[in-house]
Amino acid sequence: DIQMTQSPSTLSASVGDRVTITCRASQSIRSWLAWYQQKPGKAPKLLIYKASSLESGVPSRFSGSGSGTEFTLTISSLQPDDFVTYYCQQYNGYPYTFGQGTKLEIK
Amino acid sequence: QLLESGGGLVQSGGSLRLSCAASGFSFSNYAMSWVRQAPGKGLEWVSFISGSGSDTYYADSVKGRFTISRDNSKNTLYLQMNSLRAEDTAVYYCAKDGGEGRGAFDIWGQGTMVTVSS
Repeated sequence: DIQMTQSPSTLSASVGDRVTITCRASQSIRSWLAWYQQKPGKAPKLLIYKASSLESGVPSRFSGSGSGTEFTLTISSLQPDDFVTYYCQQYNGYPYTFGQGTKLEIK
Repeated sequence: QLLESGGGLVQSGGSLRLSCAASGFSFSNYAMSWVRQAPGKGLEWVSFISGSGSDTYYADSVKGRFTISRDNSKNTLYLQMNSLRAEDTAVYYCAKDGGEGRGAFDIWGQGTMVTVSS
């Protein structure tokens, strides 16, 4: 199985900061990586697919990059609504696997 | 839109069938998956089914106990869960695949809670 390792697990930042979350795959997944945002008690929401493609309706402050085994999600200027949990997911092969999540906290 | 139902409280060793009613897109054209989230934990992919229903895949943790299926005439996805264990306790989400060339889960249901008591 492909293991997805997200870092950091928790990130403290302030409104307006630029932050980056990293996701590493245990083997190449080409560009088959997605990023999701999850608010408490809600279903995940797709932000980025194919590593760098922004889902329709998602603010442009979210961006993704990477290929192979190393990927990043960048939020260019944090807004109050962004302080929630983020997950990466590989869909290069079965079983699909998620990272363990990154909780973004207000500093 | 996706709307799950069928969750509830069941004893260890029991069975449940989850349903996911789809609307607003051409259901038969898209693969679907079930994803679960144990209380306070991360996301875990459970199972996949192709648009036609001919291909299915399962996580090792549920293989042999869970069966995914779909009825394209009813725009409904199912997850039959047998031999349930305490560790199957989770919110279960159905999720739509983004389609050829993009993939990922672009639409999610609101989730249905399954609690397995030991």
